[in-house]
Amino acid sequence: GAVVSQHPSWVICKSGTSVKIECRSLDFQATTMFWYRQFPKQSLMLMATSNEGSKATYEQGVEKDKFLINHASLTLSTLTVTSAHPEDSSFYICSAREKGLAGFGETQYFGPGTRLLVL
Amino acid sequence: AQSVTQLDSHVSVSEGTPVLLRCNYSSSYSPSLFWYVQHPNKGLQLLLKYTSAATLVKGINGFEAEFKKSETSFHLTKPSAHMSDAAEYFCVVSDLWLNKLIFGAGTRLAVHP
Repeated sequence: GAVVSQHPSWVICKSGTSVKIECRSLDFQATTMFWYRQFPKQSLMLMATSNEGSKATYEQGVEKDKFLINHASLTLSTLTVTSAHPEDSSFYICSAREKGLAGFGETQYFGPGTRLLVL
Repeated sequence: AQSVTQLDSHVSVSEGTPVLLRCNYSSSYSPSLFWYVQHPNKGLQLLLKYTSAATLVKGINGFEAEFKKSETSFHLTKPSAHMSDAAEYFCVVSDLWLNKLIFGAGTRLAVHP
């Protein structure tokens, strides 16, 4: 099946610094990528949807200036947590949907996640 | 709007016994439905999906799910649980108009020796 990678898998940073997380579709082209946040023992919360070459669409309540998303190519999206604070500590998961599949039911493939700890 | 309800937050079974994880959906049109599994500190892996073809869908690792329109259900089953099946399971519906997946709250499956 299709593979999505994330880098780094975990990161510890000081409060006030910025952290960039990369998401890559390794063997397919992804027109749409998604960024989720997951708190312990909870379901995934969609943060934003990004289409290649256009601005991301953020979910209500997600600060676009705080969580910068760039979808520069059909295989790469990045999430930058700017001026990170301890409350931003979480598990961040990206997902990608393949290009070229018409109709409905396209599968989203998920990355392994990035655990962020802000001290 | 689409929605999905996982009826059990925790399910505990003994190794070798059947698994049933329940999911009901709400949709104004024929939905696409998925089951994903998440092992601790990992991403989500697709188990199976339903997209209006056969109502009984077979997935990986011996799992299967049956789409029942009359009951608006998409329950996940496995005849015999393995210790390695212990994980969090998410029932998911695809909302085409909103262009996103709608997740259930998840069911944590524990498998005891």
